This record gives sequence, structure tokens and C-alpha cells, in this order.
Amino acid sequence: EVQLLESGGGLVQPGGSLRLSCAASGFTFSSYGMSWVRQAPGKGLEWVSTISGRDDSTWYADSVKGRFTISRDNSKNTLYLQMSSLRAEDTAVYYCAKDGGSGSYYNWYLHIWGRGTPVTVSS
Amino acid sequence: QSVLTQPPSVSGAPGQRVTISCTGSNSNIGADYDVHWYQQLPGTAPKLLIYGYSNRPSGVPDRFSGSKSGTSASLAITGLQAEDEADYYCQSYDSLRGRVFGGGTKLTVL
Repeated sequence: EVQLLESGGGLVQPGGSLRLSCAASGFTFSSYGMSWVRQAPGKGLEWVSTISGRDDSTWYADSVKGRFTISRDNSKNTLYLQMSSLRAEDTAVYYCAKDGGSGSYYNWYLHIWGRGTPVTVSS
Repeated sequence: QSVLTQPPSVSGAPGQRVTISCTGSNSNIGADYDVHWYQQLPGTAPKLLIYGYSNRPSGVPDRFSGSKSGTSASLAITGLQAEDEADYYCQSYDSLRGRVFGGGTKLTVL
């Protein structure tokens, strides 16, 4: 069974940093793209970042570009999101997701989702 | 303001059919990028419902179906059931903004 377990969320001050982790199991981690999606309290879903499984290509939403870094350690079956220069508007539940789709990145879908980890940016 | 526009809410009685629209533009749905749909039950993580406009993952009932026309896509739910009450999101790719979601639609089963 595919499982994704996020961790690392918490309370951080504006301007601070935080690293989220997502432990994956039940599939060949290195073969799949992985993504982060967030949901602010009472709001909709917002795609944050994606990393490919083949060549570690990365993509970011404009709202986090230059502040967040996605990475993966295939030996540990773990996905990361390093967040820096955090702002109040980054407050959200952060979901890790396994991507699906065999063709172009543009048509990938978010196949399996973790339960999420909450991040609160506040002084 | 979301790049993909969904109605904030829809409702229907048990057994009825409802549709949820997802309106985009020539930089996303109209450019032939796939549309996917997710269901988020209250207090839970989203779940993939439809991928590639009309494909259902294993375990998703055939009461759920998707379609596309021009710069819009639609999710149809037939034989509405109480457990279908949830938020529904469409998602695609936009050539200017990357992966994008609709604002979400709250389905109420009357």
C-alpha cells in the first residue's frame, strides 16, 4: 500500500525557516515525480512545487520561487521542502503527493496524497 | 482569483445528477493540457477522482465522470449519495503559471 507521511510542520516566526519531510513507502520512490500542495485555513488548494523522479528537474509556484527548495533523497525514500523567508501568507497545511502520469510533466496528476502537516507563520 | 473558475457551491437531492464546471482559457484547458479532479471530504486530505479529463482511478465509482469542451471541463456525479458531500477541485497546467487549481466547489446533498 502506498503511504506518504509528512512531518516537520509547526509554528515559526515571520522571516524564519522550516524543513518539511515526507516519508514514502509502498512504491519505487525514485521512479515517480513528487509534489507539495498547500491549503491555507478555510481556503482552496495551491500547488507549491514538483520534483521529477528521472532527472530531479524542479518546478515552483511564483509565490514561493526563490524562498522554497524541493529536494529528494531516493536512498531514504524521502521528499523535502526547505522553506525560508517565511511569511504569514505561507500559513497552511502542506500536503505531499505522489505524481501520476507517464507523459509530459504538464499533464501529471496528484495521484496519492499524504495527510498533511500544518505550518503556522506568526510572531 | 483562481486561473480556473468553479462555482462556489452546488447542491442536489439524493439520487439526482449534478455537474460542476471548471472554466479556463487558451493558456490552460484550451491549450489541451489535461484536467484532473479531486474530492476533499470534510477534515481529510484530497483524493484523486478523475485524471486526464475522464479516467477514473481504481476504486472510484462510475457515478463520477469527467468531460471537456473548448476551454472548459466538467465533473458529473449521478445517483447522488450523502457521502458525496465534499469539496471538489479541478486542476490543470497553465503555460504562464504552472500547475493550477480551481477555487473549489462545495457540494451539498440536500
